[in-house]
Amino acid sequence: NAGVTQTPKFRVLKTGQSMTLLCAQDMNHEYMYWYRQDPGMGLRLIHYSVGEGTTAKGEVPDGYNVSRLKKQNFLLGLESAAPSQTSVYFCASTKDGSYGYTFGSGTRLTVV
Amino acid sequence: EDKVVQSPLSLVVHEGDTVTLNCSYEVTNFRSLLWYKQEKKAPTFLFMLTSSGIEKKSGRLSSILDKKELFSILNITATQTGDSAIYLCAVALGAQKLVFGQGTRLTINP
Repeated sequence: NAGVTQTPKFRVLKTGQSMTLLCAQDMNHEYMYWYRQDPGMGLRLIHYSVGEGTTAKGEVPDGYNVSRLKKQNFLLGLESAAPSQTSVYFCASTKDGSYGYTFGSGTRLTVV
Repeated sequence: EDKVVQSPLSLVVHEGDTVTLNCSYEVTNFRSLLWYKQEKKAPTFLFMLTSSGIEKKSGRLSSILDKKELFSILNITATQTGDSAIYLCAVALGAQKLVFGQGTRLTINP
């Protein structure tokens, strides 16, 4: 079982560049989430999805966009990267909104 | 604003010691409180607590929730070097939302 897979694992971007982070889950989970983790801040919710074709804003959505065209994939886009978006990004999923989330292994993004 | 606060932020102890990690919260629409362990990468689920006063236990780890005083503790007895990690507390709210605390970085020295 792959669980939740995030790609890429590491990336360095220049300010103003764009990129897409991919999250894929093979557990047929309805709910998917994108978090960012910064030192001393815990995990903060960026966007989430409660099913295919749906998305909603979390706590820190500015500068990010998401799409959930297929149930198994949740994409996080940065249109114009800024140094403030340097962080570790985690994707998570859960079957029915219960809270035993399964997390991916993270993407470490550095914006210079 | 929903808030989850963990203390201490960092803790260093010797192998064999017992530790207590704290989590307090101020939120609307509380549904449950969760503890996660984060080693090098992804957080892994430890406990979910929904009712006051009922201890959840798994080996040397245990946790309890006080919904009147709005806090939870995570105890680890007879600590081992493998317990070194960041421990995250999160509160589940309505609308499938988890709010996390800052985490406690626990280091166990041999």
